[in-house]
Amino acid sequence: DARVTQTPRHKVTEMGQEVTMRCQPILGHNTVFWYRQTMMQGLELLAYFRNRAPLDDSGMPKDRFSAEMPDATLATLKIQPSEPRDSAVYFCASGLFPDWNTEAFFGQGTRLTVV
Amino acid sequence: ILNVEQSPQSLHVQEGDSTNFTCSFPSSNFYALHWYRWETAKSPEALFVMTLNGDEKKKGRISATLNTKEGYSYLYIKGSQPEDSATYLCASKIQGAQKLVFGQGTRLTINP
Repeated sequence: DARVTQTPRHKVTEMGQEVTMRCQPILGHNTVFWYRQTMMQGLELLAYFRNRAPLDDSGMPKDRFSAEMPDATLATLKIQPSEPRDSAVYFCASGLFPDWNTEAFFGQGTRLTVV
Repeated sequence: ILNVEQSPQSLHVQEGDSTNFTCSFPSSNFYALHWYRWETAKSPEALFVMTLNGDEKKKGRISATLNTKEGYSYLYIKGSQPEDSATYLCASKIQGAQKLVFGQGTRLTINP
């Protein structure tokens, strides 16, 4: 049963610490999205990759956030230094795009709490 | 419409009643419209992917229609059940951006 896997599921960290979230997309999918769930904006797109190349990270605070895809089976989202306002659930999704006829498959999310 | 918008933001419906809600999206350079169902503490799961104007899709008691010329889609739920309680998200590709943009969602609560 193919699925998107995110780790860790939960993370509590102190302000100023580095946080790394990982995503394993479904094998064969060429596009990976990082979204953040917020109260105000629902699902906010942070960044996305196609064939491991970053296509758009305009939704991401550049000074503290970075997203990479070191290989086809791993995408990472890092926050350094973390701040309390970064507390949210971060979702990774993968799909076969630009075939827009296909759906995006979401991971279970990483719930981040910065204290 | 420059972005993906959904209405209403929240909806309370009595069990057994039917309901519907709206997704508006940019109609120019349309590619596809996605509907997702998002239950609390879970991840969003796709309900429908729609591409053709006038298309109508159905899955059980849930159906959706699409008007690409005017840029809207309706999601209908017939005979609501408590398990239908969830946030329903729509998503589309918006002009000038090769990315899937989500609306704010409609949070549906079914009252027993």
